[in-house]
Amino acid sequence: DTEVTQTPKHLVMGMTNKKSLKCEQHMGHRAMYWYKQKAKKPPELMFVYSYEKLSINESVPSRFSPECPNSSLLNLHLHALQPEDSALYLCASSQANRVEGYTFGSGTRLTVV
Amino acid sequence: DAKTTQPNSMESNEEEPVHLPCNHSTISGTDYIHWYRQLPSQGPEYVIHGLTSNVNNRMASLAIAEDRKSSTLILHRATLRDAAVYYCILKGSNFGNEKLTFGTGTRLTIIP
Repeated sequence: DTEVTQTPKHLVMGMTNKKSLKCEQHMGHRAMYWYKQKAKKPPELMFVYSYEKLSINESVPSRFSPECPNSSLLNLHLHALQPEDSALYLCASSQANRVEGYTFGSGTRLTVV
Repeated sequence: DAKTTQPNSMESNEEEPVHLPCNHSTISGTDYIHWYRQLPSQGPEYVIHGLTSNVNNRMASLAIAEDRKSSTLILHRATLRDAAVYYCILKGSNFGNEKLTFGTGTRLTIIP
């Protein structure tokens, strides 16, 4: 299995809702990442997990809450989002502490209404 | 993080080679040069990476200048499926440096 699987592919949520994005990989990668991508812009790093511990938080607002329950799974919990948070949310994984490439999922398209 | 500079856009004819340039004059000795591409409506896809020597794989070749201040991604025979945004990224190899920071990239258009 050489894929990163993200669910759901599309999500529409209201500003008072709570929802979660899920990311899964079975490549034995011990580093996992969340990126946010607005239309026509490059992906922006949000969080990095290394060996299931949060190692980098790029000053992301607390309405985004990451979780890494085990080495294969990464969640992003969403609460009280704003319309400007609408974007493509990308998950990626890689070998930790190595220089090989990252594997990205195809993303979750989030719309906040 | 060291920065890279790429042209905003390029065009190439189908079935011809494509040379995508990247300047990285502030590269450090431990930075690897990574290339990713992002096809429409998809997540980024790893293409190739290198440190000092030129590299080849099934997707592309990476030519690195001797002073490492620039590099070129070479697609040997472009197809319509190669139309994408190509990102040149410097990534540190130090322990704990797990960040992959994207620049604005080059939008490659393939002309049939």
